[in-house]
Amino acid sequence: DQQVKQNSPSLSVQEGRISILNCDYTNSMFDYFLWYKKYPAEGPTFLISISSIKDKNEDGRFTVFLNKSAKHLSLHIVPSQPGDSAVYFCAASGANSKLTFGKGITLSVRP
Amino acid sequence: EPEVTQTPSHQVTQMGQEVILRCVPISNHLYFYWYRQILGQKVEFLVSFYNNEISEKSEIFDDQFSVERPDGSNFTLKIRSTKLEDSAMYFCASSERLIWGYTFGSGTRLTVV
Repeated sequence: DQQVKQNSPSLSVQEGRISILNCDYTNSMFDYFLWYKKYPAEGPTFLISISSIKDKNEDGRFTVFLNKSAKHLSLHIVPSQPGDSAVYFCAASGANSKLTFGKGITLSVRP
Repeated sequence: EPEVTQTPSHQVTQMGQEVILRCVPISNHLYFYWYRQILGQKVEFLVSFYNNEISEKSEIFDDQFSVERPDGSNFTLKIRSTKLEDSAMYFCASSERLIWGYTFGSGTRLTVV
């Protein structure tokens, strides 16, 4: 049951460049999408979210884009910093507050 | 910054034993959750809790699992008779509102031997 898919397991980018993390979903009942960041031995940390009535939400270096017709969202980090190296999870929610997570993508930012 | 606290950070238990994982959510939060992540797999929803009752639970959350908010601050997950496949990181989370960015705890690593 892969309602939320993060198809790339890893991404490596140079410091200062843009990181683009992709996520696809299949359940059209999802109307709220979130990105979480996770370091080893820590719990997921909320990063940014977007509701289905928007197509873009920006918070500092982080921007999330939502394409509802394609059931696709992406997280852009610019400029990328070495401290951004972590596992990033895409998550989605419907009418209840239960989150369905993707498998995560490991981002490595090279100095 | 307020945080969700989970204890213990690591629990080793023998198969068939009962374990209780403890969580102290953020004080003004109303919605509480347990998730788990088996090594190498997704973070999976177990249960949500609001107004002193379970609001939703997943297929994983069978009769061996229970949750309780015994006082105004703690939120516990009990596994009655642990199995090897219960070995995972268990994350507690809380949120102030429904459909909001949860705050997760650092997790309890449960190892069943």
